[in-house]
Amino acid sequence: NAGVMQNPRHLVRRRGQEARLRCSPMKGHSHVYWYRQLPEEGLKFMVYLQKENIIDESGMPKERFSAEFPKEGPSILRIQQVVRGDSAAYFCASSPRDSLPTEQYFGPGTRLTVT
Amino acid sequence: GEDVEQSLFLSVREGDSSVINCTYTDSSSTYLYWYKQEPGAGLQLLTYIFSNMDMKQDQRLTVLLNKKDKHLSLRIADTQTGDSAIYFCAENGLTGGGNKLTFGTGTQLKVEL
Repeated sequence: NAGVMQNPRHLVRRRGQEARLRCSPMKGHSHVYWYRQLPEEGLKFMVYLQKENIIDESGMPKERFSAEFPKEGPSILRIQQVVRGDSAAYFCASSPRDSLPTEQYFGPGTRLTVT
Repeated sequence: GEDVEQSLFLSVREGDSSVINCTYTDSSSTYLYWYKQEPGAGLQLLTYIFSNMDMKQDQRLTVLLNKKDKHLSLRIADTQTGDSAIYFCAENGLTGGGNKLTFGTGTQLKVEL
């Protein structure tokens, strides 16, 4: 059973471009969580999604950021018009249900660098 | 809001015990967790403790929880070079939604020969 997959692992974007980060949850998992880790900081919750539904987006910046988890395919975190401050590692985790973190599994992360 | 604090660095000699400390503010935490992050990798759940327990042992790992002081520690016995990593404590307080984690800033553990 493959773990949580994220791609790309490394992404370089120039200021003003768009970044699309993908997360494929573990097989059988229908819940996805996105976290952001700024340099030398802990992970901060961004958004929690169920297939075709955003459950909690309280950690998402109000502008430029959006997330989706369609019925088919991976979850996408989209950042429009990137700025240098968006440079970070973005991690997703998945779980089989609306469960405690003991059942959440993290992917390897996407490291976004904005030049 | 919830806050989780950790010291940034810890250096130990191989074979010694490591103790990584963490304090948190959310008294509604149901579970407290320790994660390990190796360079360039994602987070690996090491162990967790339910908030009504005060100790949990799992092989070389011992978790101590002082709920009154909101203090959590992770002790690694017989520390090995493979234990070098960043260790994050985290909690899922009900005020943030029980399935949402709040992480500390991480403690970088360096194991020297």
